[in-house]
Amino acid sequence: NAGVMQNPRHLVRRRGQEARLRCSPMKGHSHVYWYRQLPEEGLKFMVYLQKENIIDESGMPKERFSAEFPKEGPSILRIQQVVRGDSAAYFCASSHSGGDREQFFGPGTRLTVL
Amino acid sequence: AQSVTQLGSHVSVSEGALVLLRCNYSSSVPPYLFWYVQYPNQGLQLLLKYTSAATLVKGINGFEAEFKKSETSFHLTKPSAHMSDAAEYFCAVSSGTSYDKVIFGPGTSLSVIP
Repeated sequence: NAGVMQNPRHLVRRRGQEARLRCSPMKGHSHVYWYRQLPEEGLKFMVYLQKENIIDESGMPKERFSAEFPKEGPSILRIQQVVRGDSAAYFCASSHSGGDREQFFGPGTRLTVL
Repeated sequence: AQSVTQLGSHVSVSEGALVLLRCNYSSSVPPYLFWYVQYPNQGLQLLLKYTSAATLVKGINGFEAEFKKSETSFHLTKPSAHMSDAAEYFCAVSSGTSYDKVIFGPGTSLSVIP
């Protein structure tokens, strides 16, 4: 009974490259959330997705960032043309439904931009 | 709109002493409230949640929290701190509707002194 899976756990990119972060939710979960955590800071909401739909992307930067959760396969958070300020831990969480349902977190992907 | 404040970014207690981590929320609707714990280099784990049932909520690892509407507070307590409680603690709020995201506070880092 696997939990939320994220890969890679660590990702190093040079400025200008693309970063792709993957998240496989818990079995049976159809809601996925992405958060960013900067050093010494709390979690910042980025985007909330359900299968094939973006429910709330109010926390996503307007440029370079995109997310998807296709009908088949993991959710993908894509960062194009990365900059040093994108270095952070990116956490994915999933839930059975939204609102009051417990969110189960993955171990995170730590992105370092050189 | 919901928001969360956590008084004290760092709290230190002696082993065996009372743990009190403060959380105040703002919500235009009856809130759903959560406490999560994050150990170093890991994702978040749910400690407990309030979803409009009993105002005193008991969670894992001996933690509990009391919802006080008049004070808009949801403080986390544990009677006797253990070394293994040293971690980052996040309070969070949502409106409880199916398509609402959860908003996290900035976190409180708990240190336990032997």
